[in-house]
Amino acid sequence: GAGVSQSPSNKVTEKGKDVELRCDPISGHTALYWYRQSLGQGLEFLIYFQGNSAPDKSGLPSDRFSAERTGGSVSTLTIQRTQQEDSAVYLCASSLGLETLYGYTFGSGTRLTVV
Amino acid sequence: DQQVKQNSPSLSVQEGRISILNCDYTNSMFDYFLWYKKYPAEGPTFLISISSIKDKNEDGRFTVFLNKSAKHLSLHIVPSQPGDSAVYFCAASGAGSYQLTFGKGTKLSVIP
Repeated sequence: GAGVSQSPSNKVTEKGKDVELRCDPISGHTALYWYRQSLGQGLEFLIYFQGNSAPDKSGLPSDRFSAERTGGSVSTLTIQRTQQEDSAVYLCASSLGLETLYGYTFGSGTRLTVV
Repeated sequence: DQQVKQNSPSLSVQEGRISILNCDYTNSMFDYFLWYKKYPAEGPTFLISISSIKDKNEDGRFTVFLNKSAKHLSLHIVPSQPGDSAVYFCAASGAGSYQLTFGKGTKLSVIP
């Protein structure tokens, strides 16, 4: 597609349930990033994938969070046993893997609400 | 500890006038600085960037100024248009790093 596609756009889940968020990056983009934005906060880095290299998971807030990227394309972010503090907009971005000076392209995000 | 700070949560400007959005940072290892614009229910859109070897970068109505000694950057929009109304995020990264550190954003309202 022309842009980064994320699904679902909105997700309401009960505390304790698992959720999966999906990201389809721009075709040909080797780098993929997940960020999240909690209410009133800036974007917080979660995880980075680049080609076939091991992902940088240093931003994942707890072991309830995991992500994978299959075939160098689609990525899924999974949150297990969701908590209310997980409520946020989860944003996926992709890039050609060049320097950050050129920016990344973000998707529209998934708004997650844990009730 | 916030490494990138946008101290003004909001700013209102008349159409046609200049909008100045400010950003301060604390990490002297940052080499690249970017501005993103975000409309409601959309992802952030890359606007303009500057590397630490420059003190100014211009793209149409948008100019970013970098003052390394003060660890301060600003985005100037001239002339401001109603379509510029959005949340603007400042972001920074070290050279060779893929990770951006974002500020909390400034909501710009351009009044017709």
